[in-house]
Amino acid sequence: QVTLKESGPGILQPSQTLSLTCTFSGFSLSTYGMGVGWIRQPSGKGLEWLANIWWDDDKYYNPSLKNRLTISKDTSNNQAFLKITNVDTADTATYYCARPTPFDYWGQGVMVTVSS
Amino acid sequence: DVVMTQTPVSLSVSLGGQVSISCRSSQSLVHNNGNTYLSWYLQKPGQSPQLLIYKVSNRFSGISDRFSGSGSGTDFTLKISRVEPDDLGVYYCGQGTQYPDTFGAGTKLELK
Repeated sequence: QVTLKESGPGILQPSQTLSLTCTFSGFSLSTYGMGVGWIRQPSGKGLEWLANIWWDDDKYYNPSLKNRLTISKDTSNNQAFLKITNVDTADTATYYCARPTPFDYWGQGVMVTVSS
Repeated sequence: DVVMTQTPVSLSVSLGGQVSISCRSSQSLVHNNGNTYLSWYLQKPGQSPQLLIYKVSNRFSGISDRFSGSGSGTDFTLKISRVEPDDLGVYYCGQGTQYPDTFGAGTKLELK
């Protein structure tokens, strides 16, 4: 079955770089049509899509954060990564990875707090 | 960006009742390939969102036929019949027709 799990630092300081890992099973990013996406959700608020990466290494970013986002993958180890540079308190959220499109399987989410 | 507008913001329902949630997009969600990438998700308290409906009206694997989606173009509806306690939470519509993917602000379904 398809599973995804996010991991991250938990807490970091403003201006640092947030590095997130999505480890998945049940599908492969070497398979045609497969991808991994990242979505975040501040506490008590709605969903914001951040980025997708596809089997062919095609990448799409939310323009509102594009200059700060880098998505990548390690196909051999069934992992996808997201880096967000120069974080701010506004980046405090639960970060989810999910399989697009639609987002049919989601990870449990990882809470990230940006605080000085 | 495509703006997704959901109404109502919250909804109270009695168990066994029926509800409808509306989702309107600021642009047509018909893709060049003819598909309409409009999905519905439910986020139960303390959980990740889960996919209910994709491409307007297709139920995802394991989703009860009490959930049905309809609509076209810019106007979409999710109907839930015979509401059960496990249906409570926040419902989101989302579009994947045009990057960036966007979601509605959510509709909270509560018990009356």
